[in-house]
Amino acid sequence: QKEVEQDPGPLSVPEGAIVSLNCTYSNSAFQYFMWYRQYSRKGPELLMYTYSSGNKEDGRFTAQVDKSSKYISLFIRDSQPSDSATYLCAMSRTGANSKLTFGKGITLSVRP
Amino acid sequence: NAGVTQTPKFRVLKTGQSMTLLCAQDMNHEYMYWYRQDPGMGLRLIHYSVGEGTTAKGEVPDGYNVSRLKKQNFLLGLESAAPSQTSVYFCASSYGGPGLAGDNEQFFGPGTRLTVL
Repeated sequence: QKEVEQDPGPLSVPEGAIVSLNCTYSNSAFQYFMWYRQYSRKGPELLMYTYSSGNKEDGRFTAQVDKSSKYISLFIRDSQPSDSATYLCAMSRTGANSKLTFGKGITLSVRP
Repeated sequence: NAGVTQTPKFRVLKTGQSMTLLCAQDMNHEYMYWYRQDPGMGLRLIHYSVGEGTTAKGEVPDGYNVSRLKKQNFLLGLESAAPSQTSVYFCASSYGGPGLAGDNEQFFGPGTRLTVL
């Protein structure tokens, strides 16, 4: 079993839809959880960052972590064509020698 | 502030040729990373550095070497390129490591698209 599993997609939604992107993980030591957004032919950029469990909201984006289920989600409200990108979840343990483990990414397309 | 830059943007190699990819950052970051991104595989860590003069192996280090002679630069070398190394290579940098509290966001460069024939 991979440490981080992410639905492969692709996902296509109409403009204005609520989008839910999800990742599951197997390593209970993961404490830091991130969502990166990657536009076509660009490098990833950090979108949301959460430590341990709970929710975090930033504008139309909400990141949710459920450590008991080893499950993280990214919700996008009122989706826009500019949200069309690949979304990668990433997570790490605590400690100086830990590294980021990425999901495979899911490509989202928001239709006007 | 240029952030993280990568040179070159594209390259085509023949099997057995060598090349060096250059990554430069102007944010005074201690940590630097090299990833490769392949369809269906996500981002995989090749090598990383926790400071000038240090390097360490990541998840997929075979066939690659790295050097961090200056804090702002991180070089990735392919000594004898193979078709399996066809990929998009991303460099990233961060102030702290991903497992440390505080400012540990990884900033990525634009990528280098490498094809090995």
